[in-house]
Amino acid sequence: AQSVTQPDIHITVSEGASLELRCNYSYGATPYLFWYVQSPGQGLQLLLKYFSGDTLVQGIKGFEAEFKRSQSSFNLRKPSVHWSDAAEYFCAVGPMEYGNKLVFGAGTILRVKS
Amino acid sequence: DAMVIQNPRYQVTQFGKPVTLSCSQTLNHNVMYWYQQKSSQAPKLLFHYYDKDFNNEADTPDNFQSRRPNTSFCFLDIRSPGLGDAAMYLCATSRDEVSTDTQYFGPGTRLTVL
Repeated sequence: AQSVTQPDIHITVSEGASLELRCNYSYGATPYLFWYVQSPGQGLQLLLKYFSGDTLVQGIKGFEAEFKRSQSSFNLRKPSVHWSDAAEYFCAVGPMEYGNKLVFGAGTILRVKS
Repeated sequence: DAMVIQNPRYQVTQFGKPVTLSCSQTLNHNVMYWYQQKSSQAPKLLFHYYDKDFNNEADTPDNFQSRRPNTSFCFLDIRSPGLGDAAMYLCATSRDEVSTDTQYFGPGTRLTVL
């Protein structure tokens, strides 16, 4: 069965510091991979996605993620965090075959301290 | 702006009293999804519509039903809410049923069951 693990429930970083949020997945083949962000009171917003090709993908708001097949990982990074990045981040996988059913991780809550 | 709208944002109901949550979209997307997100857990897909075709997830309780009277609107009906149904309910849309199509999420409805 597909599953997504986000090992860190909470992460606190200082404003201006770098950030890495971890995501590991279990899937029968290479899935499509996504990162979503959920700010308080808001819906989930897509940050970036990986389907194929270059394993380093760029997203919105200065985020990037790297797909590592050997580690079944898709970690999210940002070189310099802003206070407005405080939110909950969800990693998700979707099937390459037909059917847009996303399986989400439990999320990582990012706190930014000034 | 085109968007996914959910009403109400907060809903309080009594144990066993039927409740309906509403979702509308201005994106003219073919697919509409309902997810359940319990506290500190991953969003979990309950069911989705492709146009008028209803697709129920195997583990979605019978207590949960859905209606899609037209392209723009989709409703989630909980026939007899239990305390365990308290959660955030997220509506999402996508153009088609392939994982390459981004899912756009509404802000969610937080359901409290007393």
